[in-house]
Amino acid sequence: GGIITQTPKFLIGQEGQKLTLKCQQNFNHDTMYWYRQDSGKGLRLIYYSITENDLQKGDLSEGYDASREKKSSFSLTVTSAQKNEMAVFLCASSIGGGAETLYFGSGTRLTVL
Amino acid sequence: GDSVTQTEGLVTVTEGLPVKLNCTYQTTYLTIAFFWYVQYLNEAPQVLLKSSTDNKRTEHQGFHATLHKSSSSFHLQKSSAQLSDSALYYCALSGGNNRIFFGDGTQLVVKP
Repeated sequence: GGIITQTPKFLIGQEGQKLTLKCQQNFNHDTMYWYRQDSGKGLRLIYYSITENDLQKGDLSEGYDASREKKSSFSLTVTSAQKNEMAVFLCASSIGGGAETLYFGSGTRLTVL
Repeated sequence: GDSVTQTEGLVTVTEGLPVKLNCTYQTTYLTIAFFWYVQYLNEAPQVLLKSSTDNKRTEHQGFHATLHKSSSSFHLQKSSAQLSDSALYYCALSGGNNRIFFGDGTQLVVKP
């Protein structure tokens, strides 16, 4: 078995601040994803990557940057945190191909003061 | 476009009674896989069921779902709900190109 580790678990930022969330997986999966989870709005895709150094925009990419410098890691940057923003960011990985099961991390909970 | 619809945001059921969570979809993909993910409080979402075969019942942990392409549905059911089933449930569709579409989720609350 493998595991997805997201750091930090809790992130508190100030309005306008650039914030970086990190994700590591040891499944040796090709594809990695960043989702944003808001209550009642499901899981919305921010970015995904099908291999090292690849980046694909999702439906919610505006206001975010991503980086996949290694196969095992995928980071997400909030370019300018919005005041009173609260959300959970979930990282996931899969073997690839699209019809495969996603394996999720436990999430990073963001609060912007 | 492609989408997944979960009509109930909250389902409340008494322990021991049957429960059904609805999931319908729209897709242009020819080859598709469907999933139910469950997320317990303060935990990561995890796969509960997966299916890509029309009219075949898939079961796991007492839950079952059948993909019906004729009605574009993949409802999740259980004959006897348990307190431990209380969680957030997501229906998801994968078109085979690394894009996965999730519904908005259904919060299941099982009461004693």
